[in-house]
Amino acid sequence: DAGVTQSPTHLIKTRGQQVTLRCSPKSGHDTVSWYQQALGQGPQFIFQYYEEEERQRGNFPDRFSGHQFPNYSSELNVNALLLGDSALYLCASRPEGGTDTQYFGPGTRLTVL
Amino acid sequence: GESVGLHLPTLSVQEGDNSIINCAYSNSASDYFIWYKQESGKGPQFIIDIRSNMDKRQGQRVTVLLNKTVKHLSLQIAATQPGDSAVYFCAENMGTSGTYKYIFGTGTRLKVLA
Repeated sequence: DAGVTQSPTHLIKTRGQQVTLRCSPKSGHDTVSWYQQALGQGPQFIFQYYEEEERQRGNFPDRFSGHQFPNYSSELNVNALLLGDSALYLCASRPEGGTDTQYFGPGTRLTVL
Repeated sequence: GESVGLHLPTLSVQEGDNSIINCAYSNSASDYFIWYKQESGKGPQFIIDIRSNMDKRQGQRVTVLLNKTVKHLSLQIAATQPGDSAVYFCAENMGTSGTYKYIFGTGTRLKVLA
């Protein structure tokens, strides 16, 4: 049983570009959350998707958007990249109506030059 | 690999000793808490959780204590091993109306000395 998977592993972009990160949740999980983890800090909640809709959102600008597909996989899009967007982007999934525990993927390391 | 927690508080313990990692949470209404372990270059790994209607929960070699009066959470690791070296985060659920929005603490780096 595969856990949460994310792609790509690493990514390098330049300021002003746009990026799309992808996440496949753990089998049986239908709720996906995205986090940003800057170096030396804890993960910061970006948003959560359930039934293809954004259900919760953290304190992130509209440049950060997402999508969830019918198969529960999800994308995180960031427009107009800033140097400060450089971070590890983590995806976590949990089963709706089941355990509260969420499980994380390995993350995508985004570097903005 | 990636370096997680460059400037985090550090707890150094001798191999075989017990470790206690502390966390202060912010919202007295939070009803669910999780401890995660994060090794360099990896995503956070679930260790143990506890609901707000409990004071203590035990797992394999780990115990979580919850003190709601002072909004304090602790993780106890028995007989600490070299493989326990990592950054540890507590997270509280601040979601509303049955939703889930996990807010993480700043983290503590655990170093196990041989």
